[in-house]
Amino acid sequence: AQTVTQSQPEMSVQEAETVTLSCTYDTSESDYYLFWYKQPPSRQMILVIRQEAYKQQNATENRFSVNFQKAAKSFSLKISDSQLGDAAMYFCAYRREYGNKLVFGAGTILRVKS
Amino acid sequence: EAGVTQFPSHSVIEKGQTVTLRCDPISGHDNLYWYRRVMGKEIKFLLHFVKESKQDESGMPNNRFLAERTGGTYSTLKVQPAELEDSGVYFCASSQDLGQVMNTEAFFGQGTRLTVV
Repeated sequence: AQTVTQSQPEMSVQEAETVTLSCTYDTSESDYYLFWYKQPPSRQMILVIRQEAYKQQNATENRFSVNFQKAAKSFSLKISDSQLGDAAMYFCAYRREYGNKLVFGAGTILRVKS
Repeated sequence: EAGVTQFPSHSVIEKGQTVTLRCDPISGHDNLYWYRRVMGKEIKFLLHFVKESKQDESGMPNNRFLAERTGGTYSTLKVQPAELEDSGVYFCASSQDLGQVMNTEAFFGQGTRLTVV
């Protein structure tokens, strides 16, 4: 069975600085998808960024980028120029290539200090 | 366009009582999922509907949990009788069914926080 591990329960970053959230996963499959979701307090969880395992290039969405290391089974999220609105719980998730359900990590609370 | 909506946002019930959670998916989304996050742990899959049919219910913890999706629109998740360990946040998500295109995005609701005392 696939597992996802987020080893940082909480992280803090100063506004305008850069922070990296860690995620590792375990799978025996070669093709799959990885995701980072963000859940602000009492609001809907939204997709931040997605990575297809067959793509070597790291995904980027504006200030959000990932460092995908397939051999190491590592999928970290880098947030550049952090803003107060980035404060949220961040979940790393895995999905099989031909599957529907997501396998999540335990989440990392990100606090942004002004 | 309305997103995934969940009712109620918060529920506090006593052990042994019954609670029904509701999820309204995005209109036109055939796939509907229930997930649960317990006590700060990882979010875990409960079950998956395709229209009104249960495609995968491997994550349902026991027979105290009953999920329905009559007519393939909204879904309900009933817990009867509730136990203390059922406390947590219940998330609903929906996605389109695009046939062979399996990388459709799942859209989540804000969750229902259930507290059993």
